Amino acid sequence: AQKVTQAQTEISVVEKEDVTLDCVYETRDTTYYLFWYKQPPSGELVFLIRRNSFDEQNEISGRYSWNFQKSTSSFNFTITASQVVDSAVYFCALSEDGGSQGNLIFGKGTKLSVKP
Amino acid sequence: GAGVSQTPSNKVTEKGKYVELRCDPISGHTALYWYRQSLGQGPEFLIYFQGTGAADDSGLPNDRFFAVRPEGSVSTLKIQRTERGDSAVYLCASSLNVPSNTGELFFGEGSRLTVL
Repeated sequence: AQKVTQAQTEISVVEKEDVTLDCVYETRDTTYYLFWYKQPPSGELVFLIRRNSFDEQNEISGRYSWNFQKSTSSFNFTITASQVVDSAVYFCALSEDGGSQGNLIFGKGTKLSVKP
Repeated sequence: GAGVSQTPSNKVTEKGKYVELRCDPISGHTALYWYRQSLGQGPEFLIYFQGTGAADDSGLPNDRFFAVRPEGSVSTLKIQRTERGDSAVYLCASSLNVPSNTGELFFGEGSRLTVL
C-alpha cells in the first residue's frame, strides 16, 4: 500500500537557522513522483517541487534544497537561512503509476514556525 | 482573479442537510480535483475530472458524496444527509492537462464545512 510519513508534526526554529523536513514514502510502483507543497495560513496549497523516481539528483532552488534517496525511501526538504515568511505547513506527497492517476497521496504535514 | 475560486469559503449546516460546494478552476484547465482536509491532516483525494467526466472517483467516501462538472469548467461537490464527520475543508484544484504529470496542481483556498 502507498503511504507518506512525515514524522515531524511541528518544528520551531529561529530566523536564519537551517531546517530539514523529513519525508518517508512507501510504494510498490517502480514509476512514481514525489512532491512538496507549502500551505500558508491562507490555506491555499502551493506547489514547490516534483521529482520522478528515476531522477535521484538533489535539487537546489534558492534557499530550498531537496534530497531524494531511493535506498531509504526518503525525500527530505531543507530550508537554508530560514525566514519568518517560511512559516507554514509543508506537505510531502506521492503519485503512483507514473502520475497518471491524477491524485496525490499526502502526508500529514509538518508545521514550521520561524521566529524572528 | 486568475486562480482557482471556491465558494462558499465557509458553510455551517445542520446534520442531515444537503450541501453544495462550488469550484471555478483556472480558465483552460481541463483537469479538476476535489480533496478533503480534516484538521491536522493532509489533503485526502476524493475525485478528479478530465473535462466533463469523472476519470477517478475512488476517493469518494460513500454514496452521499457526488460531484459534477457538466460543461467541463465549474464543478459542484454535493453532499447529501450531512454528518458531523463530514466537517472539513474541501479543497479544489485544477491543472492544465491530464494525466497531470507535472504535479503542479493549482489549489483554491478551500470551503470550510462545519456540520453541527
